[in-house]
Amino acid sequence: EPEVTQTPSHQVTQMGQEVILRCVPISNHLYFYWYRQILGQKVEFLVSFYNNEISEKSEIFDDQFSVERPDGSNFTLKIRSTKLEDSAMYFCASSSTVPEAFFGQGTRLTVV
Amino acid sequence: LAKTTQPISMDSYEGQEVNITCSHNNIATNDYITWYQQFPSQGPRFIIQGYKTKVTNEVASLFIPADRKSSTLSLPRVSLSDTAVYYCLSSTYNNNDMRFGAGTRLTVKP
Repeated sequence: EPEVTQTPSHQVTQMGQEVILRCVPISNHLYFYWYRQILGQKVEFLVSFYNNEISEKSEIFDDQFSVERPDGSNFTLKIRSTKLEDSAMYFCASSSTVPEAFFGQGTRLTVV
Repeated sequence: LAKTTQPISMDSYEGQEVNITCSHNNIATNDYITWYQQFPSQGPRFIIQGYKTKVTNEVASLFIPADRKSSTLSLPRVSLSDTAVYYCLSSTYNNNDMRFGAGTRLTVKP
């Protein structure tokens, strides 16, 4: 069964450093998403991406965040200068038809 | 997008049917109702979606009354492995703004 793949599974970074979280969506999907989930809290929408551009973003997705689809397969989330409160699980998802999205296993980001 | 409201938590026992209700009073004409399941340390998993009346798949049933202001996810004969958080979403088909609410934490007891 096709799946969304995220790397790394766990990343530890120092406050102020840049991180790039990587995702390989399911190959024929057209819609891509990033979510985050702080431990014990709900899944929070960050951004959605369609046709090589951001289609929706939340108030969390400020200038410190950016997304890119650098080639035909990868979808990345960059956090330019990490803060302690960026520590969370980050989920990538993709879909061919909204709202049935497929989620990856997540990247646990720990900012120290 | 319509805001959805769900109970924070529910308890059940193995073998019982569980019904989780979601309220979406301001649902728009073009909105669909979708349910996701999330286990600890995993990404959400799509369960079922519907627009009106009843939809059934191998996992669950979804009941949406004619006024569409609420919906009910029905899980038949739950087992311990159904312990998870269940999220109800309202979203427009092919409008990719999918925001999760607080979800319902279902605990299935032996």
